[in-house]
Amino acid sequence: LAKTTQPISMDSYEGQEVNITCSHNNIATNDYITWYQQFPSQGPRFIIQGYKTKVTNEVASLFIPADRKSSTLSLPRVSLSDTAVYYCLVAKGNAGKSTFGDGTTLTVKP
Amino acid sequence: NAGVTQTPKFRVLKTGQSMTLLCAQDMNHEYMYWYRQDPGMGLRLIHYSVGEGTTAKGEVPDGYNVSRLKKQNFLLGLESAAPSQTSVYFCASSYPGLVGSYEQYFGPGTRLTVT
Repeated sequence: LAKTTQPISMDSYEGQEVNITCSHNNIATNDYITWYQQFPSQGPRFIIQGYKTKVTNEVASLFIPADRKSSTLSLPRVSLSDTAVYYCLVAKGNAGKSTFGDGTTLTVKP
Repeated sequence: NAGVTQTPKFRVLKTGQSMTLLCAQDMNHEYMYWYRQDPGMGLRLIHYSVGEGTTAKGEVPDGYNVSRLKKQNFLLGLESAAPSQTSVYFCASSYPGLVGSYEQYFGPGTRLTVT
């Protein structure tokens, strides 16, 4: 399993764009990159997934460079409700087995 | 459509006692997972299943057993609980029908305390 490394914590202010980078140097050819969000006392929730280049949905964008050894989750114009822990997960699409890292605690301030 | 449900929500055990945590999903997902999350830590995979009747070990399987007799249910058992198993346990499921369709749906968690 590819090991991931993320910053432990980040602070931001309402209305700013936040970029959280995840390092995954040992990513395999058929691994996908997935990001989850977790609020206190809740299970994680899927945000976005990608394989290469850029993926965008209604809540975030995911940037993956050509070598795929890192990825960046971009949250546009964050609000207080975006305060949460964000996890980067690297796993084979259909392999089942997956490992979460320790995540990045994002604190959005007013 | 309830998604992923977990029973019970809370439990206190004494050292050496046994218990079973139940996870149920109504989305017809093939894959199911059990994770544990210790305070301030990320999730660690205990066991997972890629289909009815199959199970496999994850990152931290020792002290736990699992069974997947029905596609919709995934049971996690603790045969002899230890204080080190005090944690929040999350169940998840996913549908691997399409390559890359790897979104895991999580239950609300079971908070277990072993004294």
